[in-house]
Amino acid sequence: NAGVTQTPKFQVLKTGQSMTLQCAQDMNHEYMSWYRQDPGMGLRLIHYSVGAGITDQGEVPNGYNVSRSTTEDFPLRLLSAAPSQTSVYFCASSYSTGFSGNTIYFGEGSWLTVV
Amino acid sequence: AQSVAQPEDQVNVAEGNPLTVKCTYSVSGNPYLFWYVQYPNRGLQFLLKYITGDNLVKGSYGFEAEFNKSQTSFHLKKPSALVSDSALYFCAVRDFGQNFVFGPGTRLSVLP
Repeated sequence: NAGVTQTPKFQVLKTGQSMTLQCAQDMNHEYMSWYRQDPGMGLRLIHYSVGAGITDQGEVPNGYNVSRSTTEDFPLRLLSAAPSQTSVYFCASSYSTGFSGNTIYFGEGSWLTVV
Repeated sequence: AQSVAQPEDQVNVAEGNPLTVKCTYSVSGNPYLFWYVQYPNRGLQFLLKYITGDNLVKGSYGFEAEFNKSQTSFHLKKPSALVSDSALYFCAVRDFGQNFVFGPGTRLSVLP
C-alpha cells in the first residue's frame, strides 16, 4: 500500500549544487504535483502535470525543473540551489479526468536545507 | 481566481470540548472543498471533502464540516476534541485546472 513515495526524506545542499527530489505513485494517477511548505505560507504549487509528457508551472516555479516521462514518476530538479529554497517539499497525486472533486494524496515530504 | 482563508492561526480547546476550525473561500462556479490534517514531520492526510449534496459532510477521525454557500464557509468541526487531534489543519479548494489552492493552515492545540 505504497501510495505516493518521496525520496530523500532529508537533504542538506550547498549553495549552487543541484539535486533531484524523486516522487513515485502506484495508483495510476494522471495528475501529479509538487508543493513547497514554508512557515506561515501554507503550501505553494511549484509545478504540476496532468499526464505523461505534460507539465506546467505553478505559483513558484523559478529555480525548479520537472519532467514526466512515465505516469508513475514526477521528479523535481533544483538546478542551482539557493538558501531561499530551504523548505519542505511535498509531492501529491490524484485522478484527473476533468473531475475537480478527486482527492489529492500526499507523500511524506522531503526536508531540504541549503547552506 | 480561487482563494482560501483560514482566519485563525491558532485554535486552543480543552479536551472533551467541541472544536471548530474556520475556513472561508472564494471560487467562481461550484466549489470543491477539502480539509487535510498534518501531524509533525508528516505529509498531509485527507479528512473530508464537499462536492455536492448534503451540507454536512462527515469524514475521518470523527470530524465533520459544514458547507454554507451564502457565507462561503466550510468550517471543520468535531463534537469532542482529543489531545491526539492536535495538529495543523489545512482547508483547500480545487479549481477547474485541477490544481489545489490551500489556506495558510490553522494550528489546533487540544489541552488535556
